[in-house]
Amino acid sequence: AQKVTQAQTEISVVEKEDVTLDCVYETRDTTYYLFWYKQPPSGELVFLIRRNSFDEQNEISGRYSWNFQKSTSSFNFTITASQVVDSAVYFCALSEAGGYQKVTFGTGTKLQVIP
Amino acid sequence: ETGVTQSPTHLIKTRGQQVTLRCSSQSGHNTVSWYQQALGQGPQFIFQYYREEENGRGNFPPRFSGLQFPNYSSELNVNALELDDSALYLCASKSPDRNGHNEQFFGPGTRLTVL
Repeated sequence: AQKVTQAQTEISVVEKEDVTLDCVYETRDTTYYLFWYKQPPSGELVFLIRRNSFDEQNEISGRYSWNFQKSTSSFNFTITASQVVDSAVYFCALSEAGGYQKVTFGTGTKLQVIP
Repeated sequence: ETGVTQSPTHLIKTRGQQVTLRCSSQSGHNTVSWYQQALGQGPQFIFQYYREEENGRGNFPPRFSGLQFPNYSSELNVNALELDDSALYLCASKSPDRNGHNEQFFGPGTRLTVL
């Protein structure tokens, strides 16, 4: 069975601070995909990144960066110089690589960036 | 904009009633998944349809059913509504990418309230 744990329920930071959202996952699959999604108050899930389990390179996209460590089954997400527009709920998710690729989501971390 | 639309935006029903939620995908997206997101929780996988047939199902009872049509639209039907069915229902359509993994695009969701 697959499981995604986001231990941080809510985080508040002051604008321009850096913030890291933690994600720990469990899976028996050797090949899988990891995701981060952003859900603003409007409700729509916005895709941020997908990572293949074979690719442990960290990735940076503007103010966003992701640290994938297979040894600790973690896929953490860092926002540098946070902005008010970053306020949202962030979900980490995991999908199998084969079959119908069911996606398992964590419970989300609500990020509030205070001006 | 993901190109995935859902209707209605909001819906109020009473316990025991039946409801149909609709999703319209992008052309060429032959796979659609439905998720239930209870308040404060991550989305939970309900089922997936591929080429008009169900090919994967989460831990939801048979009163949750679906249809997928050739025009890339789909429906989620819920019979005998219960109070716990109150949630945001998300539709996600997929298109195959070059690596063989389906990129998933979410709609804005339908907020169902059962009284």
